[in-house]
Amino acid sequence: KQEVTQIPAALSVPEGENLVLNCSFTDSAIYNLQWFRQDPGKGLTSLLLIQSSQREQTSGRLNASLDKSSGRSTLYIAASQPGDSATYLCAAGFQKLVFGTGTRLLVSP
Amino acid sequence: EAGVAQSPRYKIIEKRQSVAFWCNPISGHATLYWYQQILGQGPKLLIQFQNNGVVDDSQLPKDRFSAERLKGVDSTLKIQPAKLEDSAVYLCASSLEGRKNNFGSGTRLTVV
Repeated sequence: KQEVTQIPAALSVPEGENLVLNCSFTDSAIYNLQWFRQDPGKGLTSLLLIQSSQREQTSGRLNASLDKSSGRSTLYIAASQPGDSATYLCAAGFQKLVFGTGTRLLVSP
Repeated sequence: EAGVAQSPRYKIIEKRQSVAFWCNPISGHATLYWYQQILGQGPKLLIQFQNNGVVDDSQLPKDRFSAERLKGVDSTLKIQPAKLEDSAVYLCASSLEGRKNNFGSGTRLTVV
């Protein structure tokens, strides 16, 4: 049974810092690893999807990597902004997703 | 294209009452999911439909939860009777075959 964990649970940084969010999963036979953003009271916004054959994906200031052998994925956010404040969730699977518990990010001006 | 629509946005009920949530997926999306997200946790899959058939309902508490997807389009999720621990956000998602999920804004349920 796939289990996904995220560290840290919460993170507070000043604006402009580069930061890394971590995600680990127990079953390396995953199809995809996906990172989502969730704003308070809102649904999920897909940020990046890494297919099992890929090692990383980039979108703007976001870069996500996948290391299946170690069961880990990281989301790198460059030059953080207050607008990046949200909860970030990683999820393993193809369409049926197993989510981690999320990292609550606060970026202060 | 229009996104996944869910209603109501918020619902407050007393324990032992019943409640129903509605989801309208993106047009043409054959696969539909219901997830439960308890405060401070990640979403957990409750049920997956392919058209109007159930693919996976292994994590659905069938003694009190039920879901249907008539005509393979809209879906409803019902809880009867509700318990305090059912307080959560209920998220609906839909997808095309082989494509990633699209999530609705969710319904926030509070059971008092």
